[in-house]
Amino acid sequence: TQLLEQSPQFLSIQEGENLTVYCNSSSVFSSLQWYRQEPGEGPVLLVTVVTGGEVKKLKRLTFQFGDARKDSSLHITAAQPGDTGLYLCAGVQREYGNKLVFGAGTILRVKS
Amino acid sequence: DAGVTQSPTHLIKTRGQQVTLRCSPKSGHDTVSWYQQALGQGPQFIFQYYEEEERQRGNFPDRFSGHQFPNYSSELNVNALLLGDSALYLCASSQLAAETQYFGPGTRLLVL
Repeated sequence: TQLLEQSPQFLSIQEGENLTVYCNSSSVFSSLQWYRQEPGEGPVLLVTVVTGGEVKKLKRLTFQFGDARKDSSLHITAAQPGDTGLYLCAGVQREYGNKLVFGAGTILRVKS
Repeated sequence: DAGVTQSPTHLIKTRGQQVTLRCSPKSGHDTVSWYQQALGQGPQFIFQYYEEEERQRGNFPDRFSGHQFPNYSSELNVNALLLGDSALYLCASSQLAAETQYFGPGTRLLVL
């Protein structure tokens, strides 16, 4: 069974601080995705990383995929209260119809 | 263009009862996947439907069953409800072989 471990589980920071969320697996996935989920809503896709060593930027968010395609990180620069939410990483299993295997998530709270 | 819709939004049932949840995929999508998200956890894959057939299944008992209709909409049925079935049930739609899935807002089920 492929599992994704996400850390930290909870993060509470002040506006303007930087933070990093980690996602680690013992197995290789076809690709890895990061989602953000607001209360009462479904997850919304932020980015998909496919190639080992890949780095993608989305405004103040930087996503990295490990060289071995087993780990990933999400770095947020100068966090804002609007960044508050649940961040989920998910491994894509292409051989199983693109089934998603999710980590447990990181709850981020940014205080103003 | 409507995104993925789910009904009902909330549901309260008692142990032993049966429940049916409904999902309409995003326009142009032919594949529907269902996920269970317990409180404080990431979503877990239940099963996936394409061409009215179950193509992939996660580690869920036979009490969980589904159906896909010719218009690509889908139902999730859970029989003999247990307290542990209380969760947010998410539907995600995609085009076959596409890695990007779009999630609905979910149905929150409470089993008393």
